[in-house]
Amino acid sequence: NAGVTQTPKFRILKIGQSMTLQCTQDMNHNYMYWYRQDPGMGLKLIYYSVGAGITDKGEVPNGYNVSRSTTEDFPLRLELAAPSQTSVYFCASSQIADEKLFFGSGTQLSVL
Amino acid sequence: QKEVEQNSGPLSVPEGAIASLNCTYSDRGSQSFFWYRQYSGKSPELIMFIYSNGDKEDGRFTAQLNKASQYVSLLIRDSQPSDSATYLCAVSSGGSYIPTFGRGTSLIVHP
Repeated sequence: NAGVTQTPKFRILKIGQSMTLQCTQDMNHNYMYWYRQDPGMGLKLIYYSVGAGITDKGEVPNGYNVSRSTTEDFPLRLELAAPSQTSVYFCASSQIADEKLFFGSGTQLSVL
Repeated sequence: QKEVEQNSGPLSVPEGAIASLNCTYSDRGSQSFFWYRQYSGKSPELIMFIYSNGDKEDGRFTAQLNKASQYVSLLIRDSQPSDSATYLCAVSSGGSYIPTFGRGTSLIVHP
């Protein structure tokens, strides 16, 4: 039972580089989310999606982009990486009207 | 802006004691309340949810909700060292399906 799978687990980027964080879920959940977590802080919502083809900004969307072409996949794109994007990124999913989030194992990203 | 406040701690309790974790929220329209446990270096895991005023018990965990005071708490009875983790409170408004998280409270259970 895979649940929510995130790749990679760790990544170091140089300033200005770009990358895509992958997220896939096998629970047929409609809602998917991307959060970032800085040390000692809670989870900040970056983007979310309520279904294939539908995405919307969260609290901290600047510097990121998303797409949702299938129910299963919700990749997060970082363009022109900056040190402020050093963080742990979590992808999550939930059923409609459920609001109970299932999280992936996270990606630890450092931008140097 | 919807806010969820938690004391960052750490809250230190002896093994076998009751740990009490508290959370307040700003949006009076909030209808769904969740507690997630996050071990160091791991992802959050849902452990409790509550929708109605009062208490909800699940094993050693009890969630308490008081909507009038905009307050939700988590009690852990017979605390064990394995309960040592950060506990995140999450709140969502009716129909939004987008929970807002607090900063989390670090709990340390010492033998």
